[in-house]
Amino acid sequence: DAKTTQPNSMESNEEEPVHLPCNHSTISGTDYIHWYRQLPSQGPEYVIHGLTSNVNNRMASLAIAEDRKSSTLILHRATLRDAAVYYCILSAGAGGTSYGKLTFGQGTILTVHP
Amino acid sequence: GAVVSQHPSWVICKSGTSVKIECRSLDFQATTMFWYRQFPKQSLMLMATSNEGSKATYEQGVEKDKFLINHASLTLSTLTVTSAHPEDSSFYICSGPGDRNYGYTFGSGTRLTVV
Repeated sequence: DAKTTQPNSMESNEEEPVHLPCNHSTISGTDYIHWYRQLPSQGPEYVIHGLTSNVNNRMASLAIAEDRKSSTLILHRATLRDAAVYYCILSAGAGGTSYGKLTFGQGTILTVHP
Repeated sequence: GAVVSQHPSWVICKSGTSVKIECRSLDFQATTMFWYRQFPKQSLMLMATSNEGSKATYEQGVEKDKFLINHASLTLSTLTVTSAHPEDSSFYICSGPGDRNYGYTFGSGTRLTVV
């Protein structure tokens, strides 16, 4: 399975933008890049996902490098509620033998300071 | 978006007993669901893929006789931890299948403590 590499932890101040990096140099052409976040004692929450183009939604933006070997999750204005573990995951597209199997790495612990 | 309901949120059981955890898809039908386990300060590990109407597919190293999975309907998958032992204490999380718009939807998790 293609793996991802993320920093163990990052810190931010409230209302400032946060850029969470992820390296996935062995990504295959059909792998989607997913981001999830997890609060303590809760299941992961979907944040955003994309394939090749940059993506925006109400929670965040996903910037994908042209060679797709890295991506960055952007939280435009961090709030205290954004403090969580953020997971960058590669997911095989539909029809692939690994479809649906998410391999979670250690993720990035984001701390947001008031 | 897809909603997955998981129950119970937490359970304490005695060593040697069995515990059933339910995972329901509330607004969609799921032929496939996924079960994960998370130990304290660790990441999620996929345990098995639950398949409606057929046998579950277990990941390497997961004992299928200990972690019984049943997916008898398109809206319900259950995980039964049989003859639980303290080392089975963990956070168990289920997930629905992927959606092109909403990614994968996870249940809220079940904290199992075996005493």
